[in-house]
Amino acid sequence: EDQVTQSPEALRLQEGESSSLNCSYTVSGLRGLFWYRQDPGKGPEFLFTLYSAGEEKEKERLKATLTKKESFLHITAPKPEDSATYLCAVQAYHSGGGADGLTFGKGTHLIIQP
Amino acid sequence: GAGVSQTPSNKVTEKGKYVELRCDPISGHTALYWYRQSLGQGPEFLIYFQGTGAADDSGLPNDRFFAVRPEGSVSTLKIQRTERGDSAVYLCASSLDSNNEQFFGPGTRLTVL
Repeated sequence: EDQVTQSPEALRLQEGESSSLNCSYTVSGLRGLFWYRQDPGKGPEFLFTLYSAGEEKEKERLKATLTKKESFLHITAPKPEDSATYLCAVQAYHSGGGADGLTFGKGTHLIIQP
Repeated sequence: GAGVSQTPSNKVTEKGKYVELRCDPISGHTALYWYRQSLGQGPEFLIYFQGTGAADDSGLPNDRFFAVRPEGSVSTLKIQRTERGDSAVYLCASSLDSNNEQFFGPGTRLTVL
């Protein structure tokens, strides 16, 4: 069974204080690892897809990295508008040849204080 | 362009009633997914459509849940004999195909009294 564990559950940072969020996973045949941002009362917003160990992607103050067992979302010099819940998800190859639905972690609730 | 839309945004019903939740995917997206999210949890996969057919319904919790996508575009999630434990936010997502990133709608908050 595919599993995703995110840590910490919650993180409070001062504006400008860089940090990293962790996503540990086990999956039978990884097709992709996804990071989403979710604001209260809204659906998840797509951030990144990573496909293979060693891959990195960046967007503004966010950088996602991937190893064979975990992914990190690094946030550099965050601003209050970066406050949100960050969700990690994995997608496995389906036995029929396509891809499964996403298996999500519980998320990390990030608060950036001015 | 227009994103994924879901209606209604909120639905309150009584235990035992039947409800339908609608999802309009992004135009041209052939893959459509339904998820359920409870408070403090990540979304939980329910069912995946490729075109008109349900390619994977392994996440549906029991036979009270059913979903259709008759013309390969709009989808409806149907819940019979609702229970209080069905209360959650129901999210719909679509993608170009199963090998691309999924884009989520705003969700329907279902409350079963």
